[in-house]
Amino acid sequence: QVQLVQSEAEVKKPGSSVKVSCRASGYTFSDYYIYWVRRAPGQGLEWMGWINPNSGDTKYAQKFQGSVTVTRDTSISTAYMELSGLTSHDTAVYYCARGRMIMFGGVIVLQVYFDYWGQGTLLTVSS
Amino acid sequence: QSVLTQPPSASGTPGQRVTISCSGSSSNIGSKTVNWYQQVPGAAPKLLVYSHNQRPSGVSDRFSDSKSGTSASLAISGLQPEDEADYYCAVWDDSVNGPVFGGGTKLTVL
Repeated sequence: QVQLVQSEAEVKKPGSSVKVSCRASGYTFSDYYIYWVRRAPGQGLEWMGWINPNSGDTKYAQKFQGSVTVTRDTSISTAYMELSGLTSHDTAVYYCARGRMIMFGGVIVLQVYFDYWGQGTLLTVSS
Repeated sequence: QSVLTQPPSASGTPGQRVTISCSGSSSNIGSKTVNWYQQVPGAAPKLLVYSHNQRPSGVSDRFSDSKSGTSASLAISGLQPEDEADYYCAVWDDSVNGPVFGGGTKLTVL
């Protein structure tokens, strides 16, 4: 069965960085994009970025450009999300999710949905 | 500040039908397919409805969605206590070249 297993909770100091992993199993890792989404306390879900595990191509939400780096290691079917310059506002639960994309003509995105999610990784940023 | 607007809360009694709205624009809901997720406290979000009323295996047919123009709705019929959760709409947005989420609606079963 499809599973996404994330790394354990982290506590970090302001200004530092964190790297969260997401290990996929039960399917061909390179066949589906991996998206990263976070939920801060009292807030809704927020998309951060995605990676095409096949090509390594990435795309980041404008808010996170320059602070987030998403990578992958296809040999161990694992995606990573590194967030730098941490502040207390980055305290949140971070999720990876498998994305299913429906396109028209191979160019126009009609839909993307997330059919499997990791269990979440709690990041606490505190001095 | 979410791109998609949802009511922060909704409620109903067991057996009732409840709808949750999601408002967007022409670059997202107006031209794309909306999906809905359920998140219970302490758990990861779960895909509820996608591709115009398609449901993953195991999701009850009490959940259904609809769309009109730049707005979408999730309907839950025969409300049950276990439906108490946060519900999110999500859709691809051409203006950001990525997915956007609603702010979430907390459903309370009275």
